[in-house]
Amino acid sequence: GAGVSQSPRYKVAKRGQDVALRCDPISGHVSLFWYQQALGQGPEFLTYFQNEAQLDKSGLPSDRFFAERPEGSVSTLKIQRTQQEDSAVYLCASSLRTPNIQYFGAGTRLSVL
Amino acid sequence: AQSVTQPDIHITVSEGASLELRCNYSYGATPYLFWYVQSPGQGLQLLLKYFSGDTLVQGIKGFEAEFKRSQSSFNLRKPSVHWSDAAEYFCAVDPSSNTGKLIFGQGTTLQVKP
Repeated sequence: GAGVSQSPRYKVAKRGQDVALRCDPISGHVSLFWYQQALGQGPEFLTYFQNEAQLDKSGLPSDRFFAERPEGSVSTLKIQRTQQEDSAVYLCASSLRTPNIQYFGAGTRLSVL
Repeated sequence: AQSVTQPDIHITVSEGASLELRCNYSYGATPYLFWYVQSPGQGLQLLLKYFSGDTLVQGIKGFEAEFKRSQSSFNLRKPSVHWSDAAEYFCAVDPSSNTGKLIFGQGTTLQVKP
């Protein structure tokens, strides 16, 4: 596709459920980033991939959060045993190389009830 | 602590008036600097960036920003605001200049009065 695609756009989960959020980056983009945006706040960095290698996961808030990009293209952010504080918009971005301009998807809005 | 500060949480301007959104950062070296805009339900769209060189940078939609090293600032300006500019604006910094990891300010919500 022409841009970064994220699915689903909206996800409602009961507390304790596991969720998986998908990101399709722009074709050919080497770098992929995940950010978490709480209501009324700026995005906060979660993790970064260069191709299939996860080079930085310093922003993941707990070991319940896990991200992968096994073939260096599509990425999945998984949250296990969701908590109410996980409610946020999760943004994915990709760039051709690092450092460079990051192109963002529309995000997945996660609501944990 | 290293941070990006947008002092104005909410700004209201009249259509046709000029606009300046402030951004300050606290990093030792000159980082890469960005301004993004986010409309409701949308992702972030890049308005402009500063990597090096001329400190006055031009972006899309008639926006410009000026990097001032002495003030650690990267303020966004537009000479005449249009109603369609109403959105949330984020200043962002790549402090290491080689990882691409962005640090964002908390954002400024722009409201445009007719």
